[in-house]
Amino acid sequence: RKEVEQDPGPFNVPEGATVAFNCTYSNSASQSFFWYRQDCRKEPKLLMSVYSSGNEDGRFTAQLNRASQYISLLIRDSKLSDSATYLCVVNMDNAGNMLTFGGGTRLMVKP
Amino acid sequence: NAGVTQTPKFQVLKTGQSMTLQCAQDMNHEYMSWYRQDPGMGLRLIHYSVGAGITDQGEVPNGYNVSRSTTEDFPLRLLSAAPSQTSVYFCASSYQRLSAYEQYFGPGTRLTVT
Repeated sequence: RKEVEQDPGPFNVPEGATVAFNCTYSNSASQSFFWYRQDCRKEPKLLMSVYSSGNEDGRFTAQLNRASQYISLLIRDSKLSDSATYLCVVNMDNAGNMLTFGGGTRLMVKP
Repeated sequence: NAGVTQTPKFQVLKTGQSMTLQCAQDMNHEYMSWYRQDPGMGLRLIHYSVGAGITDQGEVPNGYNVSRSTTEDFPLRLLSAAPSQTSVYFCASSYQRLSAYEQYFGPGTRLTVT
């Protein structure tokens, strides 16, 4: 079993739609969680951290469910520019020195 | 501020050749890491460094060496290239521990080993 698992997609949605991705992680002791965005053939960039209480940044909402060991990303009012791969990232080691990446979920927003 | 820079952008090697991928950052970050990204596999950590003179192995260190003689530079050496090392390599840096601070990635090096 992979330590961080994501549905690879692609998720094909029309502009304006709401779309949600989930990511499951294997280590119940994990403390830090992130969503990174990666455009085609580019480097990953931090989209948002995921806090225990959930957090929102404009059209993006991230949630953490420790009991079921998953995090989620909700995108409202999808834009064409949201088309990218979304990487779920979990800190698995106690020292905070290493991050484990999921394989990514590809989103394609259509006009 | 250039951020994190990597050279070269593209490289083709023959099996058995060695080379060094260069990585530099100008943000005075303590943490630096090397990842490889293969289709469907996500990014996998090769080696990381928590400061000058300190390096450690990640998930997939075999076939790679690193050193960190300065805060700014973190080169990755392929000792004897193999086709299995064909991948996209990303260098990243972070102010401090990764659990709390954003990682900044370089643009990547696309390596093909024939």
